[in-house]
This record gives sequence, structure tokens and C-alpha cells, in this order.
Amino acid sequence: KQEVTQIPAALSVPEGENLVLNCSFTDSAIYNLQWFRQDPGKGLTSLLLIQSSQREQTSGRLNASLDKSSGRSTLYIAASQPGDSATYLCAVVMINTGTASKLTFGTGTRLQVTL
Amino acid sequence: DGGITQSPKYLFRKEGQNVTLSCEQNLNHDAMYWYRQDPGQGLRLIYYSQIVNDFQKGDIAEGYSVSREKKESFPLTVTSAQKNPTAFYLCASTNIGYGNTIYFGEGSWLTVV
Repeated sequence: KQEVTQIPAALSVPEGENLVLNCSFTDSAIYNLQWFRQDPGKGLTSLLLIQSSQREQTSGRLNASLDKSSGRSTLYIAASQPGDSATYLCAVVMINTGTASKLTFGTGTRLQVTL
Repeated sequence: DGGITQSPKYLFRKEGQNVTLSCEQNLNHDAMYWYRQDPGQGLRLIYYSQIVNDFQKGDIAEGYSVSREKKESFPLTVTSAQKNPTAFYLCASTNIGYGNTIYFGEGSWLTVV
């Protein structure tokens, strides 16, 4: 069974700091790993998707890396801003030759960027 | 615009009632998913489907039912057998394979009164 873990569970940083969020998974038979942002009471917004054959993806101040062999991904946020405050979740899509493929989510990292 | 539409956004249920949450997507995705999220908690998988007329139970399927009669629609019924249904419900869709993005709806809040 795929297990996805995110560390830390919560993080508070002052504005302008660079930070790293971690995601680890136990089964490397995945198609993709995707990072999401969730604001309170809202749905999930996709940030970055990394295919299993890729090492990293970048979008603006965000950079996500993937090391499939070790079961780890990191989300790097440069020059953090108060608007980055949200919960960040990672999800993996399992390769399944039988029935439908599960999406497995981590429990998230709650980020607060202070002024 | 393409996307996933969940309705209603807010729903109140009386004890003993069944309620149905709607999820519609126009992204031509094969796979659709329902998740439950309790305050301050992660997402828990209720049901998922990769093809019309086929679906599988997730980790917390008891007290819930689904149907997949059309590719674009995956409604979730919260039955009276679900003892603690108050939660935030999220629907997602994707095409399974390399490089395919997972999309989410805006969610539905269900409260038992």
C-alpha cells in the first residue's frame, strides 16, 4: 500500500525566506507526482507536476524535484510572501495494471509566512 | 472553460436523510475520484472510477454510494448509514498516465443539522 508522508506538518517563516517542503512515498511505481496548494475552505490548486522520468519542474518562484529511487520529492519556494500562506499537499498517481489507479495524498504542510 | 463543477457548495442534511453531491467534468477525463476532508485533516479516498459503469471503494466507502453512468458525471450519495457525514467533500478527475494533471472541483460543504 502506498504511503505518502509530508514533513513538516506546519511551518512558519518570515517574509523573504527561502523554504523547502518535503514529501516521501513508499512505492516508486508511479506515473507522476503533483504538488498542490489549498487555501482554507477551498479546493486544491495544482502547482507543479513531475513525471516519474523527470528530475524537476519549475514555475516562477517554485521548484519541485523528484528522486524516485529514494521515494522523495521537495518543493522549494523562493523569496516567500504572505500570499504563499496555505496548505501544500503532494500526491502520487500509482501505476496499476488492474483496476483504476489510486491517487494517494500526503497530509500536507501548513505554511504561514509572516510580515 | 474546461473544469470540474461541484454542487451544491453548501448543503445541510437532517438526520436519517440521504443527500447527493454532484460532480461534473468537461475535461474528457476517464478517472474520477471523491475525497472527504475533515477540518485540519488530510484527504481520505471514498470512491474512484476509471471507466463508465465501473467504480471501486476507497479507504472510507462505508455509508457512501456512487454511480458512473456517464463519463463526465460521478455523483456521490451520502446515505443515512454514514454516522458522521459533516465534512468537506472534494471531487477530482484526471487521465491516468504520464504527465496528466489532476484537477479538483471547488468542494462541497455538508453539515448535519
